Amino acid sequence: AQSVAQPEDQVNVAEGNPLTVKCTYSVSGNPYLFWYVQYPNRGLQFLLKYITGDNLVKGSYGFEAEFNKSQTSFHLKKPSALVSDSALYFCAVRDNNNNDMRFGAGTRLTVKP
Amino acid sequence: GAVVSQHPSWVICKSGTSVKIECRSLDFQATTMFWYRQFPKQSLMLMATSNEGSKATYEQGVEKDKFLINHASLTLSTLTVTSAHPEDSSFYICSARPSHPGDGYTFGSGTRLTVV
Repeated sequence: AQSVAQPEDQVNVAEGNPLTVKCTYSVSGNPYLFWYVQYPNRGLQFLLKYITGDNLVKGSYGFEAEFNKSQTSFHLKKPSALVSDSALYFCAVRDNNNNDMRFGAGTRLTVKP
Repeated sequence: GAVVSQHPSWVICKSGTSVKIECRSLDFQATTMFWYRQFPKQSLMLMATSNEGSKATYEQGVEKDKFLINHASLTLSTLTVTSAHPEDSSFYICSARPSHPGDGYTFGSGTRLTVV
């Protein structure tokens, strides 16, 4: 069965600095990888996904993520953080056998002015 | 893209009453939907998997008689919190699973339940 790990509960960065939110995964087949963001009292919003092709995936709000097969990672990145990026971020994996999606525990990103 | 509508967005009810939360897939059919509970500043806790036309599958520790799930059509799943108590106060979120594995789950906007 697939699984996802987000090793950091909390990430703090200063506004304007680059940010990275880490995610590693385990899946038996080919992975479909996703990032979601959750703002307070809201549902999860889709940010980006990796299915196939280029390892660097660009998504909403200037976020991108890099698929690294050898390290089984899919870290979320942004070159310059904004205070409004402060939210809870979830990584998820789904394998190509159409199994259920598994979510990481979430990482709370705080961007300070 | 796929849209899931969840209502109400917030509800306040008295202890002992029941509350129904609806989750609708607006532009696609969802044979499978999921219900989650989220405590403040914590991750999602999967409560149950709702399957159209059959009984829901509950996660361990979730009371099926407390949290009634009905998935009577391909576009609607409901969660009813029966005889609500203050400890049931939480943020409840639904999601729908598209048929293609390359599509991620689509989430409702969540329901903030407060039991007084």
